[in-house]
Amino acid sequence: AQKITQTQPGMFVQEKEAVTLDCTYDTSDPSYGLFWYKQPSSGEMIFLIYQGSYDQQNATEGRYSLNFQKARKSANLVISASQLGDSAMYFCAMREVNTDKLIFGTGTRLQVFP
Amino acid sequence: EAQVTQNPRYLITVTGKKLTVTCSQNMNHEYMSWYRQDPGLGLRQIYYSMNVEVTDKGDVPEGYKVSRKEKRNFPLILESPSPNQTSLYFCASSKRRNRVDQPQHFGDGTRLSIL
Repeated sequence: AQKITQTQPGMFVQEKEAVTLDCTYDTSDPSYGLFWYKQPSSGEMIFLIYQGSYDQQNATEGRYSLNFQKARKSANLVISASQLGDSAMYFCAMREVNTDKLIFGTGTRLQVFP
Repeated sequence: EAQVTQNPRYLITVTGKKLTVTCSQNMNHEYMSWYRQDPGLGLRQIYYSMNVEVTDKGDVPEGYKVSRKEKRNFPLILESPSPNQTSLYFCASSKRRNRVDQPQHFGDGTRLSIL
C-alpha cells in the first residue's frame, strides 16, 4: 500500500535561516507524483511544489526546493530564507496514478521565530 | 479567478439533521474529490469523481453521499450526521485524470461540528 511518512510533528527555525522538512514515501508504482502543500492557521491548502518520479532534476519554486532522493524514497522540502509568514502546517502528499487520489502524511508544523 | 468554492465555511448542527456541503469549480476540471482532515491523521479521501456521473468511494466513505450531475459541481451529502463526522472538509479538483503531475486545487475548507 502506498504511504507517506512525515516524522517531524513540529519544527522551529529562526527567520532568514533555511529549514528542511522530511518526507518519505512508499509505493510500488513506477510513475507517481509528489506534492507539498502549506496550510496556514486560516485553514486553506496551498500547493507549493511538485516532483515527478521520472524528473531528473530536483524541483524548485522560488524559496522552495525539493530534495528528491529516489533510491531512498525521500522527498524533503527545503525552505530557504525563512519568513514569519512561513509559519504553518506542511503536508507531503503522493498522487496515485490509477485513482488520482492524494495520499497525505500527517504533517509538520513549522514555527518561524524572529 | 480560478477557484474551488465551498459552502458553508462553518456549520454547527445536530445529530441526524441532513446537510449538504456544496463545492463548485470554475476551471473545467474533470476530477473532483472530497477529503476530511482530522488531527494526527492528515487528510483522507471520502469520495472522488473522474467525470460527470462517475463517482467512487475513497478511504472513508461511510456516512457520506456525493453526486456529479454537472462538471463544475460536486456536493457532499450527510444524510444523518453523527458526532464522529465533526471535521474539517476539503473539496479539491484537478485538470486531468490519470495524470500524476497535476496538482489538486483545494477549496478553503468547511468546518463542520455535529453536536
